[in-house]
Amino acid sequence: AQSVTQPDIHITVSEGASLELRCNYSYGATPYLFWYVQSPGQGLQLLLKYFSGDTLVQGIKGFEAEFKRSQSSFNLRKPSVHWSDAAEYFCAVGGNFGNEKLTFGTGTRLTIIP
Amino acid sequence: KAGVTQTPRYLIKTRGQQVTLSCSPISGHRSVSWYQQTPGQGLQFLFEYFSETQRNKGNFPGRFSGRQFSNSRSEMNVSTLELGDSALYLCASSWGGRLAQNEQFFGPGTRLTVL
Repeated sequence: AQSVTQPDIHITVSEGASLELRCNYSYGATPYLFWYVQSPGQGLQLLLKYFSGDTLVQGIKGFEAEFKRSQSSFNLRKPSVHWSDAAEYFCAVGGNFGNEKLTFGTGTRLTIIP
Repeated sequence: KAGVTQTPRYLIKTRGQQVTLSCSPISGHRSVSWYQQTPGQGLQFLFEYFSETQRNKGNFPGRFSGRQFSNSRSEMNVSTLELGDSALYLCASSWGGRLAQNEQFFGPGTRLTVL
């Protein structure tokens, strides 16, 4: 069965600082990987996704993520955070035929301090 | 294009009652998925409907059911409510195709409180 681990429950960074959110997955084949963001009182919005090809993927709002098969990781990065990036971030893995559901990690809450 | 809408936004029920939640997907989207979000368990997949048929299912008891109408609107029903059913229920739509590959567009959710 597929699974996703986000080891950091809560991260606090200063505005303008760089950010890295960790995500580790477990899946037997090549995974479909996603990062979603949830702002308070809102649904989730897709930041980026990885299916195959270039292991460094660019997303919206200046985010990028790198797929590392050897480490089973798909970490999210941003070189300089803005106060508006404060939100909860979810990593997710999609299964293959017969197990198509998306499995989400438990999320990382990001707080930005001035 | 209007986004995914969910009604009602907030709901309070008592144990043993049943509840129906509604979701209107983005126009043109044929797939609707439902998720339960709780602080302890995070986001858990309930089921997905595509062209009025349940196509994928999570690991929830039979008290949780759903359906999809010909206009792609979907409803989710929970019978015999338990305290543990208190959660934010999120609906997501996508154009179709393979669920695991496609971007899902989420609604704001329905906050269900069971007393």
